[in-house]
Amino acid sequence: ETGVTQTPRHLVMGMTNKKSLKCEQHLGHNAMYWYKQSAKKPLELMFVYNFKEQTENNSVPSRFSPECPNSSHLFLHLHTLQPEDSALYLCASSQGNGQGYEQYFGPGTRLTVT
Amino acid sequence: ILNVEQSPQSLHVQEGDSTNFTCSFPSSNFYALHWYRWETAKSPEALFVMTLNGDEKKKGRISATLNTKEGYSYLYIKGSQPEDSATYLCAVSGSARQLTFGSGTQLTVLP
Repeated sequence: ETGVTQTPRHLVMGMTNKKSLKCEQHLGHNAMYWYKQSAKKPLELMFVYNFKEQTENNSVPSRFSPECPNSSHLFLHLHTLQPEDSALYLCASSQGNGQGYEQYFGPGTRLTVT
Repeated sequence: ILNVEQSPQSLHVQEGDSTNFTCSFPSSNFYALHWYRWETAKSPEALFVMTLNGDEKKKGRISATLNTKEGYSYLYIKGSQPEDSATYLCAVSGSARQLTFGSGTQLTVLP
């Protein structure tokens, strides 16, 4: 148990659907992250939030819309996705937003876009 | 974007064997290196965070070293056990501040 939960664990959606991924951390951390892992590719950073403010957007298409209402919760809103967006989406948190802080990961949401 | 290379991509060892693998990265603008263990169907788990040249860290049978001048880190596992089977991820941050991950080394320990 890492203290970071993600729901749903699996999601299948059509290209015209709108869905949201949820992440919650119970560790009292201040920074939260969204990562994407496509097949046979390394983990790729998407967004970083620190104290609820977005500090990093790694050139992610606007069909992915993050939301961080407080330091414990992070959402990723999805709309009009493409089949190539099918991937494992991981959430992580860390005590601070710095390279020296280890990140704690959730189990991920396996997304399939049909 | 940093280029973080891990080798080998995968390896199989017998239970009881010791093993090691490598993470290579650009030595300029280095700030920190992280090692994570990722077991199938679980969350990646942090093993070590290292920032200083010559750093050595140890957790049980697993240890890691860091050479920032030549741009590499080694992860060692002594007396491998089947429960060590996992993908070991290396991630590096530099002037861009955020972590760039390598593709991982997939370790299988055969009983």
